[in-house]
Amino acid sequence: AAGVIQSPRHLIKEKRETATLKCYPIPRHDTVYWYQQGPGQDPQFLISFYEKMQSDKGSIPDRFSAQQFSDYHSELNMSSLELGDSALYFCASSLGWARGTDTQYFGPGTRLTVL
Amino acid sequence: GQQLNQSPQSMFIQEGEDVSMNCTSSSIFNTWLWYKQDPGEGPVLLIALYKAGELTSNGRLTAQFGITRKDSFLNISASIPSDVGIYFCAGSKKGAQKLVFGQGTRLTINP
Repeated sequence: AAGVIQSPRHLIKEKRETATLKCYPIPRHDTVYWYQQGPGQDPQFLISFYEKMQSDKGSIPDRFSAQQFSDYHSELNMSSLELGDSALYFCASSLGWARGTDTQYFGPGTRLTVL
Repeated sequence: GQQLNQSPQSMFIQEGEDVSMNCTSSSIFNTWLWYKQDPGEGPVLLIALYKAGELTSNGRLTAQFGITRKDSFLNISASIPSDVGIYFCAGSKKGAQKLVFGQGTRLTINP
């Protein structure tokens, strides 16, 4: 079965640079979520989109922005990168949030390293 | 912020033993999910629970949604080497999209 696709899998950036992470949800899934996981930590929710509209927001820095496009893929844009932004970034997708059966399936993640 | 308390934090067991881990919260959750994560990889869904009292199995895995909606447990029977990894519970509240995760249980198996 098709899974969530994320690209790139690894990304190395310098401080103050920008980064763009991409997510392609499971076909027909209508909701996309972004999470950040620091070393030895549990995933922390950043932001989500339902039918291309921002639907929930967590502790996402103002330096980060995201959107969901007409083909349902999503991009997380990160500017003015800081050392503390180094982490694994996961995208998840689900079908049925509006119906209360929003099982979230995670992608393999993008490992961002800020030097 | 809201937090799920997951225990134990780590387990060291012999191959073939049964494993039990649980998550508790001070508030009610509408959905409980259990994931397994290998190093550097994304969490893989094991079991999803949607109703209080629900007991669901997936092979050697069994999970239950607590009747109070404030807890859940995961059992693994007859552990095998590929069960090694970090297990996370996660919950979502009614009307909210975000998942709140427990701190994880690191499972190590001695052959």
